[in-house]
Amino acid sequence: QQQVKQSPQSLIVQKGGISIINCAYENTAFDYFPWYQQFPGKGPALLIAIRPDVSEKKEGRFTISFNKSAKQFSLHIMDSQPGDSATYFCAASRGDRDDKIIFGKGTRLHILP
Amino acid sequence: EPEVTQTPSHQVTQMGQEVILRCVPISNHLYFYWYRQILGQKVEFLVSFYNNEISEKSEIFDDQFSVERPDGSNFTLKIRSTKLEDSAMYFCASSESGENTIYFGEGSWLTVV
Repeated sequence: QQQVKQSPQSLIVQKGGISIINCAYENTAFDYFPWYQQFPGKGPALLIAIRPDVSEKKEGRFTISFNKSAKQFSLHIMDSQPGDSATYFCAASRGDRDDKIIFGKGTRLHILP
Repeated sequence: EPEVTQTPSHQVTQMGQEVILRCVPISNHLYFYWYRQILGQKVEFLVSFYNNEISEKSEIFDDQFSVERPDGSNFTLKIRSTKLEDSAMYFCASSESGENTIYFGEGSWLTVV
């Protein structure tokens, strides 16, 4: 059972454009929705995260939009830069303190210079 | 900035051999995790560990896997008899009590031949 569905699998965006990655989840018990960025040969690094009590969270060029009723959330990268080229994973977990994070399958983002 | 450190960064082992992957979580963190990522695929949860015992494990974490916190700083993953399909990047992660934010190490790349 795929608990977190992510799309697209890969994305190519021109420098300066907006990169949008979408995720949907099934388990209504999920209470925490982080996005991780992973460069080749490196571990996933937390980029930004949101809880369902807000519909949007912005940190610099990165924004999460959250739609609780649709069970969907998305990452928007404004003014995309070549340095943003990486694999992005959405994820979800329950509110329990030691709960595992469940990852989506990832989106390989390439920003054209 | 504190970080999760892992050793070795890369290990090649013969099928059937035992492997121990080592991790030093962030010092004030209380929750520890192992994840794995087969090349090009998503990050999969293996096991979570709190208060010197396993909190949860996935179906991947079968009897050939074990975890241990042998002292106050190290957290290890042992694979008793490696199989070809165990070839993957293994990530250790940790989180502070009361938070969902999980920080990942850079990974140990295991190749079973």
